[in-house]
Amino acid sequence: DGGITQSPKYLFRKEGQNVTLSCEQNLNHDAMYWYRQDPGQGLRLIYYSQIVNDFQKGDIAEGYSVSREKKESFPLTVTSAQKNPTAFYLCASSPRSGGTQYFGPGTRLTVL
Amino acid sequence: AQSVTQPDIHITVSEGASLELRCNYSYGATPYLFWYVQSPGQGLQLLLKYFSGDTLVQGIKGFEAEFKRSQSSFNLRKPSVHWSDAAEYFCAVGGSENTGNQFYFGTGTSLTVIP
Repeated sequence: DGGITQSPKYLFRKEGQNVTLSCEQNLNHDAMYWYRQDPGQGLRLIYYSQIVNDFQKGDIAEGYSVSREKKESFPLTVTSAQKNPTAFYLCASSPRSGGTQYFGPGTRLTVL
Repeated sequence: AQSVTQPDIHITVSEGASLELRCNYSYGATPYLFWYVQSPGQGLQLLLKYFSGDTLVQGIKGFEAEFKRSQSSFNLRKPSVHWSDAAEYFCAVGGSENTGNQFYFGTGTSLTVIP
């Protein structure tokens, strides 16, 4: 079954800790994206990657970091520098940069 | 700058009634247009998309949308709503070189269906 998986579904973090969210796709897509979703708001782009070993900042990259060492994986690290990290995080991929984006099921991060 | 506006934050319809969700975009050329649906706590599912050609596009679950260039709109419609259609709906523009290959999302419209 082809698709995008995100883990874990729920994640709790203490203040001051870094935490990494996983995103894996087996669709052979070149481009991958991370979005943050807050209640009553649309999706805001954190980072995106068009090819392996390359990524660009989105609109709200501060306090986040990513890597793209493999085509199928695009993990997101929420660092302690992110002042308000509690949110729903969505990963997406597309066949090429600019194509239709397909989304994973999301990870809900809560900072205690 | 590109932007997407969904004027209706929340809409309530009766089951079996027709539905129209509004979407307006701001962009100088013809963008790629999308509608997604999101159930609570879930990811986004693609309903339909418009790239070019026929301005009336059909999607999954009985939804359709019409691109109107003169009004910069891409409204989503369904002739008869089912209770399972209750969800959050997002309009998006992007996916083309004209938008820097990025997507821009509206803030969403929450749909409630009453029996």
